[in-house]
Amino acid sequence: DTAVSQTPKYLVTQMGNDKSIKCEQNLGHDTMYWYKQDSKKFLKIMFSYNNKELIINETVPNRFSPKSPDKAHLNLHINSLELGDSAVYFCASSYGGGGYTFGSGTRLTVV
Amino acid sequence: EDKVVQSPLSLVVHEGDTVTLNCSYEVTNFRSLLWYKQEKKAPTFLFMLTSSGIEKKSGRLSSILDKKELFSILNITATQTGDSAIYLCAVEDGANFGNEKLTFGTGTRLTIIP
Repeated sequence: DTAVSQTPKYLVTQMGNDKSIKCEQNLGHDTMYWYKQDSKKFLKIMFSYNNKELIINETVPNRFSPKSPDKAHLNLHINSLELGDSAVYFCASSYGGGGYTFGSGTRLTVV
Repeated sequence: EDKVVQSPLSLVVHEGDTVTLNCSYEVTNFRSLLWYKQEKKAPTFLFMLTSSGIEKKSGRLSSILDKKELFSILNITATQTGDSAIYLCAVEDGANFGNEKLTFGTGTRLTIIP
């Protein structure tokens, strides 16, 4: 039973398209995150949600819109995709003080 | 802004060698420092350190934190090819419950030659 699962694992799409990545956690954690890992393997936080409330928004372009329908789900919608959006996107969750658990990542390639 | 610096950026050693990976940090509201191992997919948790001077061990891996000098080291003894990975250091920043976040370093790419 996967603790943090995200779909799809791979996404190849053309510039200008809109796409979504879904994330679900079954750990009962209150906080969920989206991280972006670039080609140099640098992991950087994008957003965090605590109990469906947006807590952290790290100067991410507003083409990126997270949505948390409940505390077990955090989806990421990206409008008007650009080449520079190509990266691996990781969802993670924590119980607020540790227990950070990452999903297996979604490799997004924009062509 | 929180900052985490890891060194070296890459390291190539022979199987059986011992390696030490370094992590220094600046963070506004320090809560903990974490080490992760990343192979092909998700970072997998190794250690969480909150107190200075207390070594955490797991098999051939160990880590220690110095909160005065703001750094941590990760040691791997008797390295094996399966240790080849990127090792990520992250600091947890969070003044209040619910607004915690991890800031990662750029990682150390470790390659073990058989």
